[in-house]
Amino acid sequence: GQNIDQPTEMTATEGAIVQINCTYQTSGFNGLFWYQQHAGEAPTFLSYNVLDGLEEKGRFSSFLSRSKGYSYLLLKELQMKDSASYLCAPDYQKVTFGTGTKLQVIP
Amino acid sequence: DAGITQSPRYKITETGRQVTLMCHQTWSHSYMFWYRQDLGHGLRLIYYSAAADITDKGEVPDGYVVSRSKTENFPLTLESATRSQTSVYFCASSEGLRYEQYFGPGTRLTVT
Repeated sequence: GQNIDQPTEMTATEGAIVQINCTYQTSGFNGLFWYQQHAGEAPTFLSYNVLDGLEEKGRFSSFLSRSKGYSYLLLKELQMKDSASYLCAPDYQKVTFGTGTKLQVIP
Repeated sequence: DAGITQSPRYKITETGRQVTLMCHQTWSHSYMFWYRQDLGHGLRLIYYSAAADITDKGEVPDGYVVSRSKTENFPLTLESATRSQTSVYFCASSEGLRYEQYFGPGTRLTVT
């Protein structure tokens, strides 16, 4: 496989900032997707990074370091509705999904 | 209605039976995908299709058959269902491999 590694679970407080990390194999890598998946629902697209650096999109930002095989998703001003799984998905010819990080936002 | 739909949403079948899961998209996306999602494994690609009449295997294709005679439809058939195929199945479509995928609502399949 592509050795995609992300934490299984995280807990954060409403209003806070949380960073969800993802590491992956760099061989054959093209870019990286992040998807959000609420329990019992389908995944929905958050971001796609091709170049190194941070891309900001409202409360969500995604960072990529191609040489280090490392990405993170940064969620600011956490809301209860952000409780979901976040799937890191490196693009190696075909997109490969990690097992996801289940984020619980608590009051 | 525009979008991507899957049917049925829930299915219970017996071991050894053939079952077909349907997927339909209205965007004319060239790419379509089938995934299964199981606890501890995340989303795993079963098959994908780049265009009508072009399909390719993903990570876990054994026991599954696909076809794509029309751009908008991408049915997945379990030829002889096994208990290990109990899972949630998601269909997705996209304009290309480097583009975001739009997922259907999923089909929860139970094989008894």
